[in-house]
Amino acid sequence: DVKVTQSSRYLVKRTGEKVFLECVQDMDHENMFWYRQDPGLGLRLIYFSYDVKMKEKGDIPEGYSVSREKKERFSLILESASTNQTSMYLCASSFGSYQPQHFGDGTRLSIL
Amino acid sequence: EDKVVQSPLSLVVHEGDTVTLNCSYEVTNFRSLLWYKQEKKAPTFLFMLTSSGIEKKSGRLSSILDKKELFSILNITATQTGDSAIYLCAVESNAGNMLTFGGGTRLMVKP
Repeated sequence: DVKVTQSSRYLVKRTGEKVFLECVQDMDHENMFWYRQDPGLGLRLIYFSYDVKMKEKGDIPEGYSVSREKKERFSLILESASTNQTSMYLCASSFGSYQPQHFGDGTRLSIL
Repeated sequence: EDKVVQSPLSLVVHEGDTVTLNCSYEVTNFRSLLWYKQEKKAPTFLFMLTSSGIEKKSGRLSSILDKKELFSILNITATQTGDSAIYLCAVESNAGNMLTFGGGTRLMVKP
């Protein structure tokens, strides 16, 4: 079974803090993704990566950055957290096109 | 811009009922359509439908894809309380392995 592990289930941070969300997959997947999920808006893609040290912007990259130094690990960084970044963050990975993405359990992030 | 719309937004049924969830899409260069089930945690993969596989079935769940009319349906027969979840539809376009998700359908199955 594919295992995608996100470092925290719940996280509370303050406005202006730098926040790191970590994601690790154990299936040697090439592709990794970060989404946020908000009621009424569904899942929206923030950033994705097809290879180590490679990243591409998704639909809503503003206020975020990512890092992929190793194939199995994909980090999402909130450079200066703001209250409108309070959300559920989901990480996913896949082998590639025509292959399903597999999701982690999510991190519910609150910015106060 | 790619677009995926699911209906209904929410649905309440009783155990044993049959439900049909809808997903319509407008994407450039369609590759595949995926259905996921999300309970309290991670969305879990249910089906993938492509041009070469427009109908899938697994137990009480089945799905079809109509590429001409640009929609898919997910059917659940003899519903159980364990089917209560948010069902997500997503479409992969030719722009790599990126998915565009619909807003989801929240299904509640009452005993």
